Amino acid sequence: DTAVSQTPKYLVTQMGNDKSIKCEQNLGHDTMYWYKQDSKKFLKIMFSYNNKELIINETVPNRFSPKSPDKAHLNLHINSLELGDSAVYFCASSPGSGGAATDTQYFGPGTRLTVL
Amino acid sequence: AQSVTQPDIHITVSEGASLELRCNYSYGATPYLFWYVQSPGQGLQLLLKYFSGDTLVQGIKGFEAEFKRSQSSFNLRKPSVHWSDAAEYFCAVGPFSGGYNKLIFGAGTRLAVHP
Repeated sequence: DTAVSQTPKYLVTQMGNDKSIKCEQNLGHDTMYWYKQDSKKFLKIMFSYNNKELIINETVPNRFSPKSPDKAHLNLHINSLELGDSAVYFCASSPGSGGAATDTQYFGPGTRLTVL
Repeated sequence: AQSVTQPDIHITVSEGASLELRCNYSYGATPYLFWYVQSPGQGLQLLLKYFSGDTLVQGIKGFEAEFKRSQSSFNLRKPSVHWSDAAEYFCAVGPFSGGYNKLIFGAGTRLAVHP
């Protein structure tokens, strides 16, 4: 009964490949997010979706494409993987229709992506 | 631009000792402030948050934090640290981005606890 789950937990792949990370939340939240945590532990938001609609896109390369089939799922597809994409990717969700700053964000366990 | 600074990259304390983790923010309006903890191999868990009202907020696991507007700080404290508190701690500020939530995180403070 995990609140926010991500698959896979670890992902090792070669440069140039295309890969996807899946995220699901069973909290009934309306807003979901993707964050990237680099090797120095610095966390930065990438995307935010509200009810399947993109509401935040933080100048992420076009190779990254989030997809939200329904409000409980937000997947991250990455094309033509590069060495610099190696990081831990966290999914999060929050209640509320607008993703207000007062809404607590609940994080998944993370997916460690290693690009060789 | 909004930013969060955690001056201490790594802190080591003895079990039972008191703890204070520093957090300073830069934000034009009244901020919404958060502390999250990340245990090894785990996601982030919310410890506490400040939106308004009493500047001393209580969180889970015996943590508290005090908002000081004059110092632009939101330091996290615990009177007696347990070995299980060893983790990475992140301070964050939640401004609006076009009316939507966007957390800006500090670089984190890694806490080690000596027995």
